[in-house]
Amino acid sequence: DSGVTQTPKHLITATGQRVTLRCSPRSGDLSVYWYQQSLDQGLQFLIQYYNGEERAKGNILERFSAQQFPDLHSELNLSSLELGDSALYFCASSAGGHTEAFFGQGTRLTVV
Amino acid sequence: TQLLEQSPQFLSIQEGENLTVYCNSSSVFSSLQWYRQEPGEGPVLLVTVVTGGEVKKLKRLTFQFGDARKDSSLHITAAQPGDTGLYLCAGGSEDDYKLSFGAGTTVTVRA
Repeated sequence: DSGVTQTPKHLITATGQRVTLRCSPRSGDLSVYWYQQSLDQGLQFLIQYYNGEERAKGNILERFSAQQFPDLHSELNLSSLELGDSALYFCASSAGGHTEAFFGQGTRLTVV
Repeated sequence: TQLLEQSPQFLSIQEGENLTVYCNSSSVFSSLQWYRQEPGEGPVLLVTVVTGGEVKKLKRLTFQFGDARKDSSLHITAAQPGDTGLYLCAGGSEDDYKLSFGAGTTVTVRA
């Protein structure tokens, strides 16, 4: 158990819909990362937050947005979903933003 | 943007053979980590190296950080089917508080 909690574990939704993925970081970790992993692909970095502020942005679509709340949990919002958005979405947390990251078990999103 | 390149992208070997995975960058990192990911699971941290030239051993796995802290290697001795997975390296920079991941090396160990 990494200490990072992601909910839900599985999500099936229709094209055009909007979903919210939630991540609770390890206790004390200030930084949260979001990654997308399509079938048999590597990790695609989406976005990083550090203590509530956006720190780095990767290949995140305009239809996607995220935020980190004062209690340090984070949410990733995906809207106008397309079939190609089907993937595993991972959240990771780290203490300092550049230190070891601990990953959640992921949310498997299926868009039908 | 710090770019970490991993090679090879894919590696398939027979049980008992040795293998080495490389992680290279033109940037200097304050620390470098290696992770292993199994299908459908989140990556799991294997090791962190922070000192140039550092070598760490974890059972049959040997990790080395380059002297200039720009590259690293992971060597597995006498690989076993349980070593199968996606191996990821990640570099951390304390200058900008970022953690950058390589694309990964998919290792398959055949019984």
